[in-house]
Amino acid sequence: RKEVEQDPGPFNVPEGATVAFNCTYSNSASQSFFWYRQDCRKEPKLLMSVYSSGNEDGRFTAQLNRASQYISLLIRDSKLSDSATYLCVVRDAGRRALTFGSGTRLQVQP
Amino acid sequence: ETGVTQSPTHLIKTRGQQVTLRCSSQSGHNTVSWYQQALGQGPQFIFQYYREEENGRGNFPPRFSGLQFPNYSSELNVNALELDDSALYLCASSLEGNEDRGKNIQYFGAGTRLSVL
Repeated sequence: RKEVEQDPGPFNVPEGATVAFNCTYSNSASQSFFWYRQDCRKEPKLLMSVYSSGNEDGRFTAQLNRASQYISLLIRDSKLSDSATYLCVVRDAGRRALTFGSGTRLQVQP
Repeated sequence: ETGVTQSPTHLIKTRGQQVTLRCSSQSGHNTVSWYQQALGQGPQFIFQYYREEENGRGNFPPRFSGLQFPNYSSELNVNALELDDSALYLCASSLEGNEDRGKNIQYFGAGTRLSVL
């Protein structure tokens, strides 16, 4: 079983749609959680950290459920520029390495 | 931009050769992590250097080795290249060792795309 699992997609949505991505992680000792965005053939860039209480950054909302070991990302009012691969990332307590999911690809269409 | 630079951007090698990839970390950062990203996959952790010492290693063979220099820049060396080593190699820098280590953010360079023929 992979340490971090994501639906690979692709998710094809029209502009203005709301789309949600889910992610599960296997290590209950995981301490920190992030969503990174990766454009085609580019490096991953931090989209947002994910906090236990849930957090929002503009059109993006992240949620964490520690009991279910589940992380989500909600994108409202999708823009063409949101088209990218979204990587779910965890960091275990005591380790400094990041563990990445395989990514979920989003394609926003006009 | 993240301030993390990697060189070269692209590289073509043949099986059995050796390669050195370089990374300059963001100013003020003391830690460099290296990742390998195969096509269609998420990045996989190779190893990390903190204050010039290896500080954790992923599931990669010893022919993957590295260095960190006093200015915190870093090198990744791969010996006896195999076809499966073809991938995007990413370097990430961060500031570790502070109290809020659980939330230390890693910033990635643009990567080196290695092709092994």
